Amino acid sequence: ELKVEQNPLFLSMQEGKNYTIYCNYSTTSDRLYWYRQDPGKSLESLFVLLSNGAVKQEGRLMASLDTKARLSTLHITAAVHDLSATYFCAVDKSTNAGKSTFGDGTTLTVKP
Amino acid sequence: NAGVTQTPKFRVLKTGQSMTLLCAQDMNHEYMYWYRQDPGMGLRLIHYSVGEGTTAKGEVPDGYNVSRLKKQNFLLGLESAAPSQTSVYFCASSYSTGIGNQPQHFGDGTRLSIL
Repeated sequence: ELKVEQNPLFLSMQEGKNYTIYCNYSTTSDRLYWYRQDPGKSLESLFVLLSNGAVKQEGRLMASLDTKARLSTLHITAAVHDLSATYFCAVDKSTNAGKSTFGDGTTLTVKP
Repeated sequence: NAGVTQTPKFRVLKTGQSMTLLCAQDMNHEYMYWYRQDPGMGLRLIHYSVGEGTTAKGEVPDGYNVSRLKKQNFLLGLESAAPSQTSVYFCASSYSTGIGNQPQHFGDGTRLSIL
């Protein structure tokens, strides 16, 4: 059974600081996704990571994937209040009808 | 450009009542999914469909039924609502795995309370 663990589950940061969210998964997977969810809103796709060593960046967020360690990281650089949200990682296999298994999410609060 | 549309957005039911949640997508996606999200938890897959006329069970299917009579629509039914089904329900859709590596596209959710 594929399990996805994120840590930390809650993160309170000061503006301008850097931090990393970790996503571990239990079995070999083909794709890893990062989503963002604002309170009371839907999920928005941030990144899709496909191969070992993949790195993608958008603004102050950078995601990376280490398939050997079954680990993805979401690095936040110089946090700003607008990044406050819940971040989910999810993994799936191409042979599994696109069914994704989600982590429990990391709720990020950026304080001034 | 609507994307994934869920109706209704909010609903309050009494225990034992039934209802149907509707999901419609206009992106010609093959795959569609229903999830539930409970406080402090990630999304758990209820049922999914890989194409018109096909459905399959996900992680937490008990108490729910689904139908995919048309490619663009995926319906989630609660036959006899129970308080444990109070949750936020999300529908999502995606291309089949043979067409690129695309994320799922999510609707805005249905907030369902069972009294």
